[in-house]
Amino acid sequence: QSALTQPPSASGSPGQSVTISCTGTSSDVGGYNYVSWYQQYPGKAPKVMIYEVSKRPSGVPDRFSGSKSGNTASLTVSGLQAEDEADYYCSSYAGSNNLVFGTGTRVTVL
Amino acid sequence: EAQLLESGGGLVQPGGSLRVSCAASGFTFSSYGMNWVRQAQGKGLEWVSGISSSGAGTYYADSVKGRFTISRDNSNNTLYLQMNSLRAEDTALYYCAKGQTSVKSWGQGTLVTVSS
Repeated sequence: QSALTQPPSASGSPGQSVTISCTGTSSDVGGYNYVSWYQQYPGKAPKVMIYEVSKRPSGVPDRFSGSKSGNTASLTVSGLQAEDEADYYCSSYAGSNNLVFGTGTRVTVL
Repeated sequence: EAQLLESGGGLVQPGGSLRVSCAASGFTFSSYGMNWVRQAQGKGLEWVSGISSSGAGTYYADSVKGRFTISRDNSNNTLYLQMNSLRAEDTALYYCAKGQTSVKSWGQGTLVTVSS
């Protein structure tokens, strides 16, 4: 049950795109299409932005997109806005009804 | 829209016990698997435990196995986490989370502090 690996930080200027990676193993990310991404502002609960690799819940802007290749999933935020500055976490189903989360990435809008 | 409201957190001594609860509304509680996820101050998210929609299946992270017990009352739309033999490293904000393969909704959390 090791945490999924994310870069500690990512940044971009308004209007640019930023992509965050989430690397696991064939037992979690690579083995299931159950990768999710969450946005968390300081002092607030997380909010799901992407589920099942690339699906967006209603209300989430289409600037947010997800993908997966092998054991690595990615979240791309296009047209970066000031309000996108937050912490982002990935999660994956890991079999046996276990979930595993990523280490988290702080996104800064320059 | 799903609403999850945690309660029961507080200060407890090492070795002590605490039970936290989560009152669910806005969705058919008995149809969804549920989880507890915790977050220590300034740290990342950690999955703690999960339970199937019926309650027949319960699942635990290695770090809490044998010490924590998850349960649910589908007639009262409530999720529980009984925490025994608490350690300083269990200090965290405990979130109630809806969903089995991913978390679709989160509560606001209840703070558990283990300290003498």
